[in-house]
Amino acid sequence: DTGVSQDPRHKITKRGQNVTFRCDPISEHNRLYWYRQTLGQGPEFLTYFQNEAQLEKSRLLSDRFSAERPKGSFSTLEIQRTEQGDSAMYLCASRSPWDSAMNTEAFFGQGTRLTVV
Amino acid sequence: AQTVTQSQPEMSVQEAETVTLSCTYDTSENNYYLFWYKQPPSRQMILVIRQEAYKQQNATENRFSVNFQKAAKSFSLKISDSQLGDTAMYFCAFMKPGGSQGNLIFGKGTKLSVKP
Repeated sequence: DTGVSQDPRHKITKRGQNVTFRCDPISEHNRLYWYRQTLGQGPEFLTYFQNEAQLEKSRLLSDRFSAERPKGSFSTLEIQRTEQGDSAMYLCASRSPWDSAMNTEAFFGQGTRLTVV
Repeated sequence: AQTVTQSQPEMSVQEAETVTLSCTYDTSENNYYLFWYKQPPSRQMILVIRQEAYKQQNATENRFSVNFQKAAKSFSLKISDSQLGDTAMYFCAFMKPGGSQGNLIFGKGTKLSVKP
């Protein structure tokens, strides 16, 4: 386990289709985040899990978006009825369970680039 | 709500020279963390340097150092002896400490090109 992995790396889908992305965090990290990054912007927070509990959702996460982390390990992000505006890089990050100054680092995956045509 | 502003969309520097990237932020919190993350082309984002707001001493990591001005809410990154591998997007980010969340608030980024 060398880092956060995301699958797929790229996804092209037709408008109206559903897509699902997967994130495997670093194994001992119980905190997992999803971010969305559009061209020319910094990542924007979507949702946060601590273990299997989804503790926070951004207002960016519309009803068409749903995220799960059923066993507190990997997470999935599903987008239903995709729209062109959903085209973006979807980033996953994980963090250590310990709260200290030295454990503030978030480790990111390479992201899933979604293109809706 | 916290905001992070990076006013330099793009910068370039000659190899071996020094460059400073700017970042300002807005918050009513007294205790927080600030970060610079690097995102190389087609690779994942990695942490460059972090600063705890309660520490007055500026953080340094090898060729990377920050100028943290808490009163001015300014957090600039200095890269010394720039290398070709420093070419990347650089994001300034803010995080509130503690609690169960710890999500990052990012600026829009600065695209740095190091030229040979």
